[in-house]
Amino acid sequence: AQSVTQLGSHVSVSEGALVLLRCNYSSSVPPYLFWYVQYPNQGLQLLLKYTSAATLVKGINGFEAEFKKSETSFHLTKPSAHMSDAAEYFCAVSGDQGGKLIFGQGTELSVKP
Amino acid sequence: DAGVIQSPRHEVTEMGQEVTLRCKPISGHDYLFWYRQTMMRGLELLIYFNNNVPIDDSGMPEDRFSAKMPNASFSTLKIQPSEPRDSAVYFCASSLGLETDTQYFGPGTRLTVL
Repeated sequence: AQSVTQLGSHVSVSEGALVLLRCNYSSSVPPYLFWYVQYPNQGLQLLLKYTSAATLVKGINGFEAEFKKSETSFHLTKPSAHMSDAAEYFCAVSGDQGGKLIFGQGTELSVKP
Repeated sequence: DAGVIQSPRHEVTEMGQEVTLRCKPISGHDYLFWYRQTMMRGLELLIYFNNNVPIDDSGMPEDRFSAKMPNASFSTLKIQPSEPRDSAVYFCASSLGLETDTQYFGPGTRLTVL
């Protein structure tokens, strides 16, 4: 069965600093990988996704993620954090189990002024 | 498009009462998903439909939970009788397809069972 592990339930960065949110996956089939963001009191929205094309994926709001098969990772990065990036971020995997999305536990990102 | 619409946004009820959550997916989307989000268990898929037919309900916690999709533009999730441990945020999402297609989430219904 597929699974996702997000390292760190809470990450805090200063405004303007690099954002790095870690995601490792487990899958017996080629995975499709996603990052979703959830702002307070809202539903999730897609940041970016990897669907077996380019391994470096660019998303909305300046975020990007790189699929590294050898490391089974799909870490999310942004060069310079903005206050508006404060939210919860979810990594997810699909491609097995009937195509369902399997979500990680989430990482809450705080941005300090 | 207005996106996925859920109602009510907040529901407070007493243990033992019936609760019905509603969802209107994005027009043209063939898949509809119901998720539950809690601090302890994170985001869990309860059930999903394809073309109004339930495909996988393995995430439905127990017989107290039921979901229907009578047509392409409406779905309900019912809990009867409700219990305090059902308190959570329930999300509905829809998508064109599975695996690689983006799921679009509604704003959620925050359920509190006293």
